Amino acid sequence: DTAVSQTPKYLVTQMGNDKSIKCEQNLGHDTMYWYKQDSKKFLKIMFSYNNKELIINETVPNRFSPKSPDKAHLNLHINSLELGDSAVYFCASSQAGQRINEQFFGPGTRLTVL
Amino acid sequence: KQEVTQIPAALSVPEGENLVLNCSFTDSAIYNLQWFRQDPGKGLTSLLLIQSSQREQTSGRLNASLDKSSGRSTLYIAASQPGDSATYLCAAVDGSSNTGKLIFGQGTTLQVKP
Repeated sequence: DTAVSQTPKYLVTQMGNDKSIKCEQNLGHDTMYWYKQDSKKFLKIMFSYNNKELIINETVPNRFSPKSPDKAHLNLHINSLELGDSAVYFCASSQAGQRINEQFFGPGTRLTVL
Repeated sequence: KQEVTQIPAALSVPEGENLVLNCSFTDSAIYNLQWFRQDPGKGLTSLLLIQSSQREQTSGRLNASLDKSSGRSTLYIAASQPGDSATYLCAAVDGSSNTGKLIFGQGTTLQVKP
């Protein structure tokens, strides 16, 4: 009965490759987020989708492209991977994009670019 | 621009001690503030959410307070246990937009010694 799930949990790849991370939530939420946690453990928002519409796009390189096929899924595709992309990527969800509502996080995907 | 700061970065206490973790934010126009726990190599677990109209929230041995006028929130942990050892993160929902974006502090890593 996992609430927010991500696949894969670990991803090791070479520079220049293209990779995708998938996220699914079964909470019935209609807003989903991607956060990046760097090597210093600092978490920062990357993207957010509400009802499949992009509502947050922080200053992220356009090599990163989120895709939301439906309200329950938000995938992250990364082109031409660079060493600096190594980090832990967290997916989260909340209900109705309301500011007061609690965000629930997935277990994270640890991306290592060699 | 909202900034969230947590002090101290690390804290070590003997088992049974009551302790307070501090979180400060620069823009008092937040919509809510959420406290999370992160265990090593794991995702984020939501502990407490305080809405902007509230002063505090309690869950078991945890009590979180919010003082918007001074830009501060505290997480009080009563009768600490070794199992409380983790990194505690506070995050404010950005008040400058209605997107639900969370702005995170750097976290406080707590060690409770048996």
